Amino acid sequence: DAKTTQPPSMDCAEGRAANLPCNHSTISGNEYVYWYRQIHSQGPQYIIHGLKNNETNEMASLIITEDRKSSTLILPHATLRDTAVYYCIVRVGDFGNEKLTFGTGTRLTIIP
Amino acid sequence: DTGVSQNPRHKITKRGQNVTFRCDPISEHNRLYWYRQTLGQGPEFLTYFQNEAQLEKSRLLSDRFSAERPKGSFSTLEIQRTEQGDSAMYLCASSFTKNSVYNEQFFGPGTRLTVL
Repeated sequence: DAKTTQPPSMDCAEGRAANLPCNHSTISGNEYVYWYRQIHSQGPQYIIHGLKNNETNEMASLIITEDRKSSTLILPHATLRDTAVYYCIVRVGDFGNEKLTFGTGTRLTIIP
Repeated sequence: DTGVSQNPRHKITKRGQNVTFRCDPISEHNRLYWYRQTLGQGPEFLTYFQNEAQLEKSRLLSDRFSAERPKGSFSTLEIQRTEQGDSAMYLCASSFTKNSVYNEQFFGPGTRLTVL
């Protein structure tokens, strides 16, 4: 699975859009980008995933660059409850083995 | 449905003792995963089951570790002869996999193990 690089920490003002970047320059054609987050003292929570098209759901939007070497997770209107560690994961999307390989993630702090 | 549950939530033990953790997945989820997470790190995969079959084990899972899912429902993770390096959060996750469609993993709250 391709390695990902994320900034260790970020701050965002409450009510603003939080944009979390992820670099995955060695991604291959059959690898998907997944985002999970982990709120303090809880298990990780799935947010969104995508292959090459931009994706949106009720939680967030995922923007993947055309060359697929990087992506951005967007939380459109951040709230204090969005304070968490956000993990960008790249893995083969064969869905036969859903083992997740987490890095150290980005610690996002929402500022009141 | 209350999600994935894990028991106990906290366990303190002395080095050399055996410990067992339990995970109850979301009902009808056919896949169950165990991960371990140490302070400041992301979760690390340990093993996973499809129904009662253990399909993959990480190299992290030494011979002191054993996991079972006897009836394809709940699972147990046992650590024998615990060492201080086993101190970590042990996370369980479950998912329903069918027809090669990605289904998210739902994680439990974890069991925090402290080995003295």
